[in-house]
Amino acid sequence: QPVLTQSSSASASLGSSVKLTCTLSSGHSSYIIAWHQQQPGKAPRYLMKLEGSGNYNKGSGVPDRFSGSSSGADRYLTISNLQFEDEADYYCETWDSNTFVVFGGGTKLTVL
Amino acid sequence: QVQLAQSGGGLVKPGGSLRLSCTASGFTFSDYYMSWIRQAPGKGLEWVSYISSSSSYTNYADSVKGRFTISRDNAKNSLYMQMNSLRAEDTAVYFCARWIFGVVIDYWGQGTLVTVSS
Repeated sequence: QPVLTQSSSASASLGSSVKLTCTLSSGHSSYIIAWHQQQPGKAPRYLMKLEGSGNYNKGSGVPDRFSGSSSGADRYLTISNLQFEDEADYYCETWDSNTFVVFGGGTKLTVL
Repeated sequence: QVQLAQSGGGLVKPGGSLRLSCTASGFTFSDYYMSWIRQAPGKGLEWVSYISSSSSYTNYADSVKGRFTISRDNAKNSLYMQMNSLRAEDTAVYFCARWIFGVVIDYWGQGTLVTVSS
């Protein structure tokens, strides 16, 4: 079954860019994932679906500052022109026929 | 626009029961699989269960199998989770979510807190 590995924390300055990583476990490098944002005290929000090819489809209303890319087993979420409202936990998610919905441990992003 | 409005939740004693509800709007509810996900205080997201669009298929995380039952009423655009034999470790915020089967979750409810404590 797939395991999604994320760094526990990341930080970047206001107005800069940050690239968050979600790594799929061995044998699952082709899997589609989703990125979700969870601001403090709120429900998660779907950001995008990201394929192994690097193609991505964003959810409704997701700003252009958010983009996705892929390299092998790594799935990336890049946030450009960081804003204070981007300070949140970011989770990746995938699916497997044996384990069903699987989440990464989440990355806590701090905007300095 | 797609909305998932949750109700239910609250404080319950260990061994007790609770029923969560999630009412959908803005899309054809009967076309989609639905799922429940929970988040213990200060922890990450944990998938709990899913149900197919016609209720033909359900699955559960091992941690709740045999105690929780997912169901839906497509005529009422509603999803439910019956939680029995609740334990302290079931304490969490529970989210309903629209799930594109075999792909990803694309919409979330606002969440409802379940606290299991004596």
